[in-house]
Amino acid sequence: NAGVTQTPKFQVLKTGQSMTLQCAQDMNHNSMYWYRQDPGMGLRLIYYSASEGTTDKGEVPNGYNVSRLNKREFSLRLESAAPSQTSVYFCASRPTGQETQYFGPGTRLLVL
Amino acid sequence: AQSVTQPDIHITVSEGASLELRCNYSYGATPYLFWYVQSPGQGLQLLLKYFSGDTLVQGIKGFEAEFKRSQSSFNLRKPSVHWSDAAEYFCAVGADTGRRALTFGSGTRLQVQP
Repeated sequence: NAGVTQTPKFQVLKTGQSMTLQCAQDMNHNSMYWYRQDPGMGLRLIYYSASEGTTDKGEVPNGYNVSRLNKREFSLRLESAAPSQTSVYFCASRPTGQETQYFGPGTRLLVL
Repeated sequence: AQSVTQPDIHITVSEGASLELRCNYSYGATPYLFWYVQSPGQGLQLLLKYFSGDTLVQGIKGFEAEFKRSQSSFNLRKPSVHWSDAAEYFCAVGADTGRRALTFGSGTRLQVQP
Protein backbone atom coordinates (compact mmCIF):
# COMPACT_ATOMS: atom_id res chain seq x y z
CA ASN A 1 0.00 0.00 0.00
CA ALA A 2 1.95 3.00 -1.29
CA GLY A 3 -0.62 5.71 -0.42
CA VAL A 4 -0.21 8.78 -2.65
CA THR A 5 2.67 8.74 -5.09
CA GLN A 6 3.94 11.57 -7.27
CA THR A 7 6.32 11.66 -10.21
CA PRO A 8 8.75 13.16 -10.90
CA LYS A 9 10.32 14.20 -7.60
CA PHE A 10 12.23 17.04 -9.19
CA GLN A 11 12.08 18.74 -12.58
CA VAL A 12 13.80 21.67 -14.26
CA LEU A 13 12.02 23.33 -17.17
CA LYS A 14 12.76 26.22 -19.44
CA THR A 15 10.18 28.95 -19.86
CA GLY A 16 7.59 27.88 -22.41
CA GLN A 17 8.14 24.15 -22.05
CA SER A 18 5.30 21.87 -21.10
CA MET A 19 5.12 18.98 -18.71
CA THR A 20 2.71 16.80 -16.77
CA LEU A 21 2.97 16.04 -13.08
CA GLN A 22 1.61 12.63 -12.23
CA CYS A 23 -0.24 11.62 -9.08
CA ALA A 24 -1.71 8.27 -8.16
CA GLN A 25 -3.36 6.87 -5.05
CA ASP A 26 -4.13 3.28 -4.18
CA MET A 27 -6.54 3.95 -1.31
CA ASN A 28 -9.71 3.97 -3.43
CA HIS A 29 -10.38 7.61 -2.55
CA ASN A 30 -12.85 9.60 -4.60
CA SER A 31 -11.56 13.12 -3.96
CA MET A 32 -8.17 14.31 -5.12
CA TYR A 33 -6.41 17.67 -4.94
CA TRP A 34 -3.47 19.56 -6.36
CA TYR A 35 -1.79 22.21 -4.19
CA ARG A 36 1.25 24.37 -4.69
CA GLN A 37 3.53 25.43 -1.86
CA ASP A 38 5.46 28.68 -2.00
CA PRO A 39 7.71 30.14 0.70
CA GLY A 40 5.79 32.02 3.35
CA MET A 41 2.42 31.20 1.82
CA GLY A 42 1.53 27.70 2.95
CA LEU A 43 -0.28 25.51 0.45
CA ARG A 44 -2.82 26.83 -2.03
CA LEU A 45 -5.37 24.79 -3.95
CA ILE A 46 -4.89 24.63 -7.71
CA TYR A 47 -7.53 22.10 -8.74
CA TYR A 48 -9.87 19.62 -7.17
CA SER A 49 -11.54 16.45 -8.42
CA ALA A 50 -14.53 14.94 -6.67
CA SER A 51 -14.54 11.79 -8.78
CA GLU A 52 -13.42 10.30 -12.07
CA GLY A 53 -14.16 12.67 -14.92
CA THR A 54 -14.94 15.73 -12.78
CA THR A 55 -12.65 18.63 -11.96
CA ASP A 56 -13.07 22.04 -10.40
CA LYS A 57 -10.84 25.11 -10.19
CA GLY A 58 -9.28 26.07 -6.91
CA GLU A 59 -7.68 29.27 -5.69
CA VAL A 60 -4.83 29.49 -8.22
CA PRO A 61 -5.77 27.58 -11.41
CA ASN A 62 -4.32 29.92 -14.05
CA GLY A 63 -1.65 28.29 -16.20
CA TYR A 64 -2.67 24.75 -15.26
CA ASN A 65 -4.90 22.01 -16.58
CA VAL A 66 -5.83 18.76 -14.92
CA SER A 67 -7.09 15.37 -15.95
CA ARG A 68 -8.88 12.71 -13.91
CA LEU A 69 -9.25 9.80 -16.30
CA ASN A 70 -9.76 7.19 -13.63
CA LYS A 71 -10.19 6.91 -9.89
CA ARG A 72 -6.51 6.36 -9.14
CA GLU A 73 -4.81 9.07 -11.14
CA PHE A 74 -5.00 12.87 -11.18
CA SER A 75 -2.49 14.64 -13.39
CA LEU A 76 -1.52 18.31 -13.50
CA ARG A 77 -0.32 19.82 -16.77
CA LEU A 78 1.64 22.98 -17.40
CA GLU A 79 1.16 23.85 -21.07
CA SER A 80 3.66 26.70 -21.18
CA ALA A 81 5.72 26.92 -18.04
CA ALA A 82 6.55 30.29 -16.51
CA PRO A 83 9.08 31.20 -13.79
CA SER A 84 6.13 32.07 -11.52
CA GLN A 85 5.23 28.40 -11.54
CA THR A 86 8.45 27.49 -9.75
CA SER A 87 7.09 25.80 -6.66
CA VAL A 88 6.61 22.54 -4.83
CA TYR A 89 3.49 20.72 -5.95
CA PHE A 90 1.57 18.39 -3.68
CA CYS A 91 -1.14 15.96 -4.57
CA ALA A 92 -3.59 14.76 -1.94
CA SER A 93 -6.55 12.42 -1.73
CA ARG A 94 -9.47 12.12 0.65
CA PRO A 95 -11.93 9.29 1.28
CA THR A 96 -15.62 10.06 0.89
CA GLY A 97 -17.26 11.06 4.15
CA GLN A 98 -14.00 11.86 5.89
CA GLU A 99 -12.19 15.14 6.29
CA THR A 100 -8.56 14.05 6.45
CA GLN A 101 -6.45 14.48 3.34
CA TYR A 102 -3.45 12.28 2.63
CA PHE A 103 -0.54 13.92 0.87
CA GLY A 104 2.05 12.69 -1.56
CA PRO A 105 5.79 13.46 -1.19
CA GLY A 106 5.66 16.42 -3.58
CA THR A 107 7.26 17.44 -6.87
CA ARG A 108 9.79 20.24 -6.81
CA LEU A 109 9.61 22.24 -10.05
CA LEU A 110 12.08 24.87 -11.17
CA VAL A 111 11.25 26.97 -14.22
CA LEU A 112 14.16 28.93 -15.64
CA ALA B 1 -13.98 32.83 3.47
CA GLN B 2 -11.89 30.77 5.80
CA SER B 3 -8.35 31.72 6.77
CA VAL B 4 -5.57 30.56 9.04
CA THR B 5 -2.89 32.66 10.72
CA GLN B 6 0.30 31.30 12.17
CA PRO B 7 1.91 34.35 13.77
CA ASP B 8 5.33 32.82 14.32
CA ILE B 9 7.36 32.29 11.18
CA HIS B 10 10.32 30.80 12.99
CA ILE B 11 10.77 29.42 16.52
CA THR B 12 13.90 28.10 18.20
CA VAL B 13 13.73 25.98 21.34
CA SER B 14 16.24 23.94 23.27
CA GLU B 15 15.99 20.17 23.27
CA GLY B 16 13.89 19.07 26.23
CA ALA B 17 12.06 22.38 26.49
CA SER B 18 8.32 22.71 26.02
CA LEU B 19 6.82 23.96 22.79
CA GLU B 20 3.70 25.84 21.80
CA LEU B 21 2.95 26.78 18.20
CA ARG B 22 0.13 29.23 17.68
CA CYS B 23 -2.69 28.97 15.19
CA ASN B 24 -5.69 31.24 14.77
CA TYR B 25 -8.45 30.57 12.29
CA SER B 26 -11.39 32.35 10.78
CA TYR B 27 -14.36 30.25 9.78
CA GLY B 28 -18.09 30.81 9.84
CA ALA B 29 -19.14 27.49 11.33
CA THR B 30 -17.59 24.75 13.40
CA PRO B 31 -14.23 24.16 11.79
CA TYR B 32 -12.35 21.02 11.05
CA LEU B 33 -8.79 21.74 12.21
CA PHE B 34 -5.55 20.00 11.42
CA TRP B 35 -1.86 20.18 12.19
CA TYR B 36 0.56 18.80 9.63
CA VAL B 37 4.34 18.49 9.88
CA GLN B 38 6.77 18.68 6.99
CA SER B 39 10.34 17.51 7.45
CA PRO B 40 12.94 18.91 5.05
CA GLY B 41 12.39 17.58 1.54
CA GLN B 42 9.43 15.51 2.64
CA GLY B 43 5.68 15.58 2.19
CA LEU B 44 3.10 16.52 4.79
CA GLN B 45 2.35 14.17 7.64
CA LEU B 46 -0.81 14.53 9.71
CA LEU B 47 -0.04 15.14 13.39
CA LEU B 48 -3.57 15.48 14.72
CA LYS B 49 -7.04 16.71 13.90
CA TYR B 50 -10.09 18.15 15.59
CA PHE B 51 -13.62 17.69 14.34
CA SER B 52 -15.79 17.79 17.46
CA GLY B 53 -15.99 16.59 21.04
CA ASP B 54 -13.13 16.86 23.49
CA THR B 55 -11.30 20.11 22.81
CA LEU B 56 -7.93 18.66 23.77
CA VAL B 57 -6.76 16.25 21.09
CA GLN B 58 -3.79 13.96 21.16
CA GLY B 59 -1.67 13.25 18.12
CA ILE B 60 1.35 11.32 17.06
CA LYS B 61 4.91 11.90 18.32
CA GLY B 62 3.68 13.23 21.67
CA PHE B 63 1.94 16.31 20.28
CA GLU B 64 -1.39 17.67 21.47
CA ALA B 65 -3.56 20.62 20.51
CA GLU B 66 -6.36 22.48 22.21
CA PHE B 67 -9.35 23.94 20.40
CA LYS B 68 -10.56 27.19 21.96
CA ARG B 69 -13.66 28.45 20.21
CA SER B 70 -13.75 31.74 22.17
CA GLN B 71 -10.23 32.59 20.96
CA SER B 72 -10.54 30.99 17.50
CA SER B 73 -7.34 29.17 18.26
CA PHE B 74 -5.92 25.69 17.84
CA ASN B 75 -2.45 25.80 19.36
CA LEU B 76 -0.07 22.87 19.11
CA ARG B 77 1.93 21.81 22.16
CA LYS B 78 4.58 19.33 23.18
CA PRO B 79 5.95 19.01 26.72
CA SER B 80 9.50 18.09 25.76
CA VAL B 81 10.95 18.69 22.32
CA HIS B 82 13.33 16.26 20.66
CA TRP B 83 15.92 17.18 18.03
CA SER B 84 13.95 15.13 15.49
CA ASP B 85 11.01 17.55 15.88
CA ALA B 86 12.85 20.16 13.84
CA ALA B 87 10.58 20.71 10.85
CA GLU B 88 7.94 23.03 9.48
CA TYR B 89 4.49 22.88 11.01
CA PHE B 90 1.30 23.83 9.24
CA CYS B 91 -2.10 24.51 10.72
CA ALA B 92 -5.06 24.03 8.39
CA VAL B 93 -8.81 24.48 8.47
CA GLY B 94 -11.23 22.47 6.39
CA ALA B 95 -14.84 23.04 5.41
CA ASP B 96 -17.53 20.49 6.15
CA THR B 97 -19.20 20.92 2.80
CA GLY B 98 -18.38 21.13 -0.87
CA ARG B 99 -14.92 20.31 -2.06
CA ARG B 100 -13.61 20.26 1.51
CA ALA B 101 -10.28 21.70 0.47
CA LEU B 102 -7.90 22.73 3.20
CA THR B 103 -6.84 26.30 3.85
CA PHE B 104 -3.34 26.37 5.26
CA GLY B 105 -1.47 28.83 7.38
CA SER B 106 1.91 30.01 6.19
CA GLY B 107 3.74 27.64 8.48
CA THR B 108 6.09 27.83 11.47
CA ARG B 109 9.62 26.57 11.12
CA LEU B 110 10.89 24.94 14.29
CA GLN B 111 14.59 24.79 15.06
CA VAL B 112 15.80 22.68 17.99
CA GLN B 113 19.05 23.59 19.74
CA PRO B 114 21.08 20.86 21.46
